[in-house]
Amino acid sequence: AQSVTQPDIHITVSEGASLELRCNYSYGATPYLFWYVQSPGQGLQLLLKYFSGDTLVQGIKGFEAEFKRSQSSFNLRKPSVHWSDAAEYFCAVGSPFSGGYNKLIFGAGTRLAVHP
Amino acid sequence: DTGVSQDPRHKITKRGQNVTFRCDPISEHNRLYWYRQTLGQGPEFLTYFQNEAQLEKSRLLSDRFSAERPKGSFSTLEIQRTEQGDSAMYLCASSLESVWTHTSGLGDTQYFGPGTRLTVL
Repeated sequence: AQSVTQPDIHITVSEGASLELRCNYSYGATPYLFWYVQSPGQGLQLLLKYFSGDTLVQGIKGFEAEFKRSQSSFNLRKPSVHWSDAAEYFCAVGSPFSGGYNKLIFGAGTRLAVHP
Repeated sequence: DTGVSQDPRHKITKRGQNVTFRCDPISEHNRLYWYRQTLGQGPEFLTYFQNEAQLEKSRLLSDRFSAERPKGSFSTLEIQRTEQGDSAMYLCASSLESVWTHTSGLGDTQYFGPGTRLTVL
């Protein structure tokens, strides 16, 4: 069965420091991978997605993620964190059905705190 | 494009009452999804609509839950005889089926609304 693991429940970084959030997935075929961010009390905002092609994906707000098939990982990175990046981050695998629609399977999330 | 909207944003109800939530997708998006998110967890898939047809339902969607999407536009999610275990954030997402996604079978991109937070007392 498909699954997504985000090993870090909480991460705290200092403003200006680099960030890497880990995501590992279990999926039997070529996965479709997503990172979403959720601010308190809000819905999910798409940061970036990987469907195929270049394994380094650029997203919004200066985020990027790298798909590594050999490690079944899709880690999210940002070179310099801003205080406004404090939020919860979710990695998701898209489980495609015929016709191309997705049932997204989410990890449990990583809560990011940013110290000034 | 005003994004996906959901109403109400918060609902407090007593156990045993019925509640109904509404989702308005991004205009022209023909795909609509419902997810449920409990505290400290990621969202879990509940159901999917292609236009007005409900094509998949999760086992999480018990007989007390029903979802509709009349005319393929907005959608409603009703919970009958609510239980405390129903307390959660209910998220709606929409996406657009393109020729590319349909013919290739590759995934689409879902855009989420702000959610409806349900508290059952």
